[in-house]
Amino acid sequence: GAGVSQSPSNKVTEKGKDVELRCDPISGHTALYWYRQSLGQGLEFLIYFQGNSAPDKSGLPSDRFSAERTGGSVSTLTIQRTQQEDSAVYLCASSLGLEKLFFGSGTQLSVL
Amino acid sequence: RKEVEQDPGPFNVPEGATVAFNCTYSNSASQSFFWYRQDCRKEPKLLMSVYSSGNEDGRFTAQLNRASQYISLLIRDSKLSDSATYLCVVGRSNSGYALNFGKGTSLLVTP
Repeated sequence: GAGVSQSPSNKVTEKGKDVELRCDPISGHTALYWYRQSLGQGLEFLIYFQGNSAPDKSGLPSDRFSAERTGGSVSTLTIQRTQQEDSAVYLCASSLGLEKLFFGSGTQLSVL
Repeated sequence: RKEVEQDPGPFNVPEGATVAFNCTYSNSASQSFFWYRQDCRKEPKLLMSVYSSGNEDGRFTAQLNRASQYISLLIRDSKLSDSATYLCVVGRSNSGYALNFGKGTSLLVTP
């Protein structure tokens, strides 16, 4: 597709389970970002990939969160041992650099 | 102090009104500035970049004041469809993570 694709669009899980969220960026975009947004809140930066450089993980809230980007394209955000406070919309964005970000429609994560 | 601060609003204005939002940023090394728009339960989308000389796109005008470290967005002749949350975005250097999002200013344009 032409845009950023995220899957699943909705994920309901039980506290303590692991979840994987997937992001397919726009082809050719070298930068990929993960953000999360809680209801009524702003975007919280999680992690940033730029080409082959080491990712900027400074926004990951705990060691339960990790992300990887394989082959400079698809990215997976993994949350281990989910907690209720992890419930949020997880947004992925890609860009060609420090300019216009194209966001996916997000994954709504609900931890029961 | 938060890196990017905005008045959350809401700003309630009648159709046809002019409304302005400000945003302040704390990092004087910031190099790039943007306004994004986010509709309810939707992803953010770029509205416009903000250049040092100021720039205009139709009814929207963005300005940057580096000395005071704030950017502004002016919307003239407000339309009902302008109702949304406007996110101020500030970028640091080109190395590493660069974009900080404000929490947004909510605008409601009423008939």
